Amino acid sequence: GAVVSQHPSRVICKSGTSVKIECRSLDFQATTMFWYRQFPKQSLMLMATSNEGSKATYEQGVEKDKFLINHASLTLSTLTVTSAHPEDSSFYICSARRLAGEIRSYNEQFFGPGTRLTVL
Amino acid sequence: RKEVEQDPGPFNVPEGATVAFNCTYSNSASQSFFWYRQDCRKEPKLLMSVYSSGNEDGRFTAQLNRASQYISLLIRDSKLSDSATYLCVVNHDGGSQGNLIFGKGTKLSVKP
Repeated sequence: GAVVSQHPSRVICKSGTSVKIECRSLDFQATTMFWYRQFPKQSLMLMATSNEGSKATYEQGVEKDKFLINHASLTLSTLTVTSAHPEDSSFYICSARRLAGEIRSYNEQFFGPGTRLTVL
Repeated sequence: RKEVEQDPGPFNVPEGATVAFNCTYSNSASQSFFWYRQDCRKEPKLLMSVYSSGNEDGRFTAQLNRASQYISLLIRDSKLSDSATYLCVVNHDGGSQGNLIFGKGTKLSVKP
């Protein structure tokens, strides 16, 4: 299966600092990457859709100025949590969709291993 | 009403048991359906897609009832390694974005 990596896997930071999370598709090109957030015992919630070479599309309630997304290439998208606060502590997961594939796998997303963010 | 609803469980079953999970979705325009598996503190991984005709992959059988907006997953001959949270996922966009809507998941614990 396709491989998606995330870095870092875990980060602990002080309130007010910014944290950058990288998402890479290692063996395929992804025009579209997605960023999700999962709080304990909650479902994954889509934060934004990242398209290579264009601005990200944010879901309702997600502040685009706080969660900066850059999709500079077909294999890399970054999420920067600016001025992080304790309520931003969560499990951030990216996913990537193949540029092209079989019809039945068109909507299959390959997930990164996630980044656990703890803001003190 | 939540877009995708699942019984959170937990389902505690002995090895070898057959267990079934159900899921309902609210958007009748949903076009693609999946079951994902998520282990504790890990990312979700695709278990199987769900097709209108129903489909089987080894010990796993998925069914879709569009009229009732209902999806099921049946696991036969449960293994200890099946212990995980099973996420029902739908995509009602179907277009270029392909946004996935996740249920909260059903937790399965298979005991020896």
